[in-house]
Amino acid sequence: LAKTTQPISMDSYEGQEVNITCSHNNIATNDYITWYQQFPSQGPRFIIQGYKTKVTNEVASLFIPADRKSSTLSLPRVSLSDTAVYYCLVASYNTDKLIFGTGTRLQVFP
Amino acid sequence: GAVVSQHPSRVICKSGTSVKIECRSLDFQATTMFWYRQFPKQSLMLMATSNEGSKATYEQGVEKDKFLINHASLTLSTLTVTSAHPEDSSFYICSAQEPAMGQFFGPGTRLTVL
Repeated sequence: LAKTTQPISMDSYEGQEVNITCSHNNIATNDYITWYQQFPSQGPRFIIQGYKTKVTNEVASLFIPADRKSSTLSLPRVSLSDTAVYYCLVASYNTDKLIFGTGTRLQVFP
Repeated sequence: GAVVSQHPSRVICKSGTSVKIECRSLDFQATTMFWYRQFPKQSLMLMATSNEGSKATYEQGVEKDKFLINHASLTLSTLTVTSAHPEDSSFYICSAQEPAMGQFFGPGTRLTVL
């Protein structure tokens, strides 16, 4: 299972774009990259998943360079409610258990 | 779609008693479910992989006789914390593997052992 490395914490202000980068140097060919969001005392919530290049949905974008050794979660115009812990995970699609790293604690200020 | 529920959401019990936590996939079938434990300010720690119709696979350091897992149907896995002690107090989270969409997590169960 690929190990991931993320910043422990990040601060931002409302309305700003936030980019959280995750390193996964040992990612395997059949691994996907998935990001989850977790609020206190809740289970993780799926945000976005990708394999390569760029993926965008209604809440975020995921940028993956050609070598796939890192990925960047982009949250446009964050609000106070985006304050949470964000986890980057790498695993084979549909087969692998997920091993959580430290995650990135994002604090959004007014 | 892809909703996972847990019951109960929180439980308080006396030391020495056993507690059962249920994890259900509401709108899909899951041959594989996972159980995690999370202590305050820490990340999720995988405890075991629950496979429908077969024995669970436990992570290193997790006592299988302490944490009994049963996955008797494609929509239900249960975790029983046997002879619970205060150090077992934690937030227990399950996830279910949706075949086409990936893993989805339950809302968690807060266990407090007095």
